[in-house]
Parts: sequence; C-alpha cells; structure tokens
Amino acid sequence: GAVVSQHPSRVICKSGTSVKIECRSLDFQATTMFWYRQFPKQSLMLMATSNEGSKATYEQGVEKDKFLINHASLTLSTLTVTSAHPEDSSFYICSARAFGGAFRETQYFGPGTRLLVL
Amino acid sequence: QKEVEQDPGPLSVPEGAIVSLNCTYSNSAFQYFMWYRQYSRKGPELLMYTYSSGNKEDGRFTAQVDKSSKYISLFIRDSQPSDSATYLCAMKWQGAQKLVFGQGTRLTINP
Repeated sequence: GAVVSQHPSRVICKSGTSVKIECRSLDFQATTMFWYRQFPKQSLMLMATSNEGSKATYEQGVEKDKFLINHASLTLSTLTVTSAHPEDSSFYICSARAFGGAFRETQYFGPGTRLLVL
Repeated sequence: QKEVEQDPGPLSVPEGAIVSLNCTYSNSAFQYFMWYRQYSRKGPELLMYTYSSGNKEDGRFTAQVDKSSKYISLFIRDSQPSDSATYLCAMKWQGAQKLVFGQGTRLTINP
C-alpha cells in the first residue's frame, strides 16, 4: 500500500516551454501533497504544500507564478513549470500524506521526475 | 545550527557489517521520526516510522529514538550491497504538515 506515482519520469523540453508533472496517490486518499526539488548529492528542498481544493502554500524564494500547483482531487496534484529555463533543470519529487490510518503523520514519495531544459 | 544534523558521509562498510546511522536534532517538540532510503535517481522510500521514544524493529532494520538526548539512530544488520543508498532521517511535531529532513548519509556496502 501507500503507492505514489509520478508522470512523466523524465522530460526534456526547450527553453521557454511549459512542462506539467502529475503526482497520483494510487491506493490512498491524500489530503496534502508536497512538491520537492533535489539537486545532485543534496537533500530535498520543499517547494510547496498543497491541500485538496485550496491554494498551494509556497516556501520562501519559490516563485508561485513559475511553479503552478493544482490539487484538484484527493488523489491528484500537478506541478506546471511555466516558461522553463535551463536553471529549472532538476529532479522534482512529489509526496503525499495519507488522510487517515496509522501512518497519517508521514509522507510517501513518488519516484521523481527528471527535468532537463535545453 | 540546523534543526536536524546528519553526517553526510560517505560511509563505506564491508558486506555483513552492522551499520549505524544517526541524526541529532534541536527541537524538543519533534514527536514523529522517520527514516527514508533513497537510491540514486529515485524517490525516497519510507523504511521506518516511529512515534515518540523507543525502539522499532523490522527485519534487518532497527530504529531507535532517544528524546532525552535528541538523538535517533538506524541500525542495519547483516548489511547487503543492495543497502547501498542515501539514508535520510526526517521528523515532525504534532500538527505540523512539513517534515524536517537531515542532509542524508551516503552509504556504500562493499561485497
């Protein structure tokens, strides 16, 4: 149980285009989903927290107009990188917090999406 | 001072050894403690989840929490090359949504 999927796993795009990444909780309902960014050999950097049906809360320094987050249902959140530039190239990982149960205080992570902007 | 301190390593041990990974923290309000394993180019995988103090065992893995010392540990017995990964500790306090992560320890098990 507690499986989180991400799509696509890898994407290459041209500078100036937008890229959408989907995050789904497959076997549980997620009241809250999180989006992280990870650079090589570094820990996870939280970008934003999204609750189903409400606006995302962005961490300091993260541009909300550049990284659009939508959490339309209890099983799906999307991150759209708008007008992507080479410096946006990174590993993006989502996680989901379960609605209830014994492990509701933890997060389950997706496999990540590697974005390369040319 | 970071809220959670974790030695980034790298740590290299021979196959079969007992591995000890540790994190210290400064916020006494933390109540939920987790260990994640992350393979290269993959998302973190939840290994152990502990509430408050005490020990928890799952197969070859044992997690310990010492709240009085603000210190948590993960022990891996009979380590295998497949255990080679980065191990992240994470923790949170009651009511918080966000996890606070350690830097991660890169572990290599040599055959």
